[in-house]
Amino acid sequence: GESVGLHLPTLSVQEGDNSIINCAYSNSASDYFIWYKQESGKGPQFIIDIRSNMDKRQGQRVTVLLNKTVKHLSLQIAATQPGDSAVYFCAENSPGGGADGLTFGKGTHLIIQP
Amino acid sequence: NAGVMQNPRHLVRRRGQEARLRCSPMKGHSHVYWYRQLPEEGLKFMVYLQKENIIDESGMPKERFSAEFPKEGPSILRIQQVVRGDSAAYFCASSKTSGRYNEQFFGPGTRLTVL
Repeated sequence: GESVGLHLPTLSVQEGDNSIINCAYSNSASDYFIWYKQESGKGPQFIIDIRSNMDKRQGQRVTVLLNKTVKHLSLQIAATQPGDSAVYFCAENSPGGGADGLTFGKGTHLIIQP
Repeated sequence: NAGVMQNPRHLVRRRGQEARLRCSPMKGHSHVYWYRQLPEEGLKFMVYLQKENIIDESGMPKERFSAEFPKEGPSILRIQQVVRGDSAAYFCASSKTSGRYNEQFFGPGTRLTVL
């Protein structure tokens, strides 16, 4: 079946280093992707999104890269801080997939080491 | 400007009881989405509603689950005759407009535990 998923369940990085979180998707019709951050006991928080007519999009300390050839998405966090500790989900919304419900991957738990 | 509100935050029910989860969207938002999250899993879409209308319920289990978003008041997700497998976190999101590129704002969730 078509799905959105992540390669690694846990990623541990040193404070100050850059983090890269990966996501693979299988629906070639997907054309809109969003990264969410979920802290313990809270709801997902929007980080950044990208449409398929772009390869790269930058925000504050975050960059999302989209490789449509291999159906791969990544989130880069620069100079990781303790507050970045959370589970990160990629989500997609594909055309023809019903209304506006998002399809989420399983998530990557980012752990920041001092 | 308050965000999406959900209550209760934690709900404990015994098997066979009913669970009612409430969601108040952000001010000015008329689109509501419900998602379910099992432990160590991503969120799974359940239903999308606008005021007084169910737009897409393709993710809702066929039995025991229902949702509504009345003209006045919060959206309600209702689970009848709960079973242990219903234990999960239920999140509500709202958006100002419809459309595939609208941003959905999530509430803090209701954590349902079925004993």
